[in-house]
Amino acid sequence: QKEVEQNSGPLSVPEGAIASLNCTYSDRGSQSFFWYRQYSGKSPELIMFIYSNGDKEDGRFTAQLNKASQYVSLLIRDSQPSDSATYLCAVKGSSASKIIFGSGTRLSIRP
Amino acid sequence: EAGVAQSPRYKIIEKRQSVAFWCNPISGHATLYWYQQILGQGPKLLIQFQNNGVVDDSQLPKDRFSAERLKGVDSTLKIQPAKLEDSAVYLCASSLGHPDQPQHFGDGTRLSIL
Repeated sequence: QKEVEQNSGPLSVPEGAIASLNCTYSDRGSQSFFWYRQYSGKSPELIMFIYSNGDKEDGRFTAQLNKASQYVSLLIRDSQPSDSATYLCAVKGSSASKIIFGSGTRLSIRP
Repeated sequence: EAGVAQSPRYKIIEKRQSVAFWCNPISGHATLYWYQQILGQGPKLLIQFQNNGVVDDSQLPKDRFSAERLKGVDSTLKIQPAKLEDSAVYLCASSLGHPDQPQHFGDGTRLSIL
């Protein structure tokens, strides 16, 4: 079992709709959760981080964390073509401070 | 605020040659990370420094990879000798000292091994 799992996609969503990206993790003691966006040929850029159960909203982005079920999700409202990218989920485990990245979900917003 | 600086942006070498990458983190960031990202995969941590000390190097292939951060600021990552499977993007990231702080990435170095 991979430590951080994401559906590789591609996930195709019409412009203006809600894109939902999911991530599961194996370390039940994980403390911190991050979502990064990576455009092709570019480096990852931080979108959101979440530490507590529940929802955290920032503009069109909402991160949702459920530690009991060991999943974290990212919702993108009013999806735009510029949101087309690979979205990486990263999880800080319970031991030391190593952060583990998933393989990413490729999102495509179709006009 | 200046971001994480990396050089070179691209490097092409033949297998068995050596190569070095340089990274300068965001000013004031105590933690520095080197990642390897192979096409289609997420970044894999190679080594993490807290100031000039190593926090985690469990996934660093120590027979060929080495890294240092002598003065607790900039860092170099070296590969000697390179293998074909080392072809990847090498990303440097930095964060404030607290382990829960998010990381900020540089533009990366794209390494091709012929």
